[in-house]
Amino acid sequence: GAVVSQHPSRVICKSGTSVKIECRSLDFQATTMFWYRQFPKQSLMLMATSNEGSKATYEQGVEKDKFLINHASLTLSTLTVTSAHPEDSSFYICSARPWRNINEQFFGPGTRLTVL
Amino acid sequence: SQQGEEDPQALSIQEGENATMNCSYKTSINNLQWYRQNSGRGLVHLILIRSNEREKHSGRLRVTLDTSKKSSSLLITASRAADTASYFCATGSEYGNKLVFGAGTILRVKS
Repeated sequence: GAVVSQHPSRVICKSGTSVKIECRSLDFQATTMFWYRQFPKQSLMLMATSNEGSKATYEQGVEKDKFLINHASLTLSTLTVTSAHPEDSSFYICSARPWRNINEQFFGPGTRLTVL
Repeated sequence: SQQGEEDPQALSIQEGENATMNCSYKTSINNLQWYRQNSGRGLVHLILIRSNEREKHSGRLRVTLDTSKKSSSLLITASRAADTASYFCATGSEYGNKLVFGAGTILRVKS
């Protein structure tokens, strides 16, 4: 149980395009999902907290107009990188928190974004 | 922001040896968790220790927590080549459920 999927696993796009990444909790309901970014050989940096049915809470320094988050259902959150640029190239990882236990987070396998 | 610091940054050991990684943090916590990440993959949850616990075991893993020193350690006993990965500590706060990750330790186990 407690499986989180991400799609796509890898995406290459041209500068200026928008990219949508999906995060799904496959066998549990997640009232909260989190989006992280990880640069090579670095740790995970929390970008935003996404609550089902409400606006996401962004961490300081993260542009909400650039990284659009939608948590439309208890099993799906999406991150859209708008007008992507090469500096947005990174590994994006989501996690989902089951409503039963606020201390648990289950992580997706990550999405490698490369912007040319 | 990153509040956890881990040391060492990188650790290389022989198969069969024990590996110890340390994590320090700055603010009060509700729990501390350890995760493993294989290269280019997602995170795998290893163990969670609550702020009122001092030690926890899971298989070959042993985690200690010293809230007075704001530090934790992860010990992997009898290491295997498959343990080669990055290891991160992450703290959960009293007031919310955000996890703040440490910088991580890259462990290499040579066979």
